[in-house]
Amino acid sequence: AQSVTQPDIHITVSEGASLELRCNYSYGATPYLFWYVQSPGQGLQLLLKYFSGDTLVQGIKGFEAEFKRSQSSFNLRKPSVHWSDAAEYFCAVGGSGGSYIPTFGRGTSLIVHP
Amino acid sequence: DGGITQSPKYLFRKEGQNVTLSCEQNLNHDAMYWYRQDPGQGLRLIYYSQIVNDFQKGDIAEGYSVSREKKESFPLTVTSAQKNPTAFYLCASSISGIPTQYFGPGTRLTVL
Repeated sequence: AQSVTQPDIHITVSEGASLELRCNYSYGATPYLFWYVQSPGQGLQLLLKYFSGDTLVQGIKGFEAEFKRSQSSFNLRKPSVHWSDAAEYFCAVGGSGGSYIPTFGRGTSLIVHP
Repeated sequence: DGGITQSPKYLFRKEGQNVTLSCEQNLNHDAMYWYRQDPGQGLRLIYYSQIVNDFQKGDIAEGYSVSREKKESFPLTVTSAQKNPTAFYLCASSISGIPTQYFGPGTRLTVL
């Protein structure tokens, strides 16, 4: 069975500081991996996805993520956080074919201090 | 612009009443999904549909029902059998067989 762990429930950073949100997954084959962002009271917006190829993936809003198969990780990074990045971030794992419905992590809440 | 719409944004219901949440998409996606979101619990799958006139139960289908009469529409009914219906409900869609999901803005249901 596929699963996703986001070990940090809350992360607090200062505006302008770098950010790394952790995501570990369990999946029997090559996974499809996603990061979504959710502002309060809103739906989820896709930040980036990894299907294959280059393990460093660029997304929207200046985010990137790196797929590390040996560590079963897909951590999200941003070099300089803006106050508008404060939101809930969800990692998800899925596959093609029968298991294509993704499994979502419980989310990490990002708090940005001025 | 293509996207997913959910209505209403806020919904209030008295105990014992059924209520239907709307979800419409114009992305031409075959697959559609309903999730429930509670604080600290992430997203839990209620129902999904891969094609018109067919749908499957997700992890927490009890107390909910759906229909898929049109490709564009996937309404969710929260019945009086759902013991704790107060939550944020999210609708999503995808190309069938591809796990990339696109989400609507959500409906917050409160039972009074």
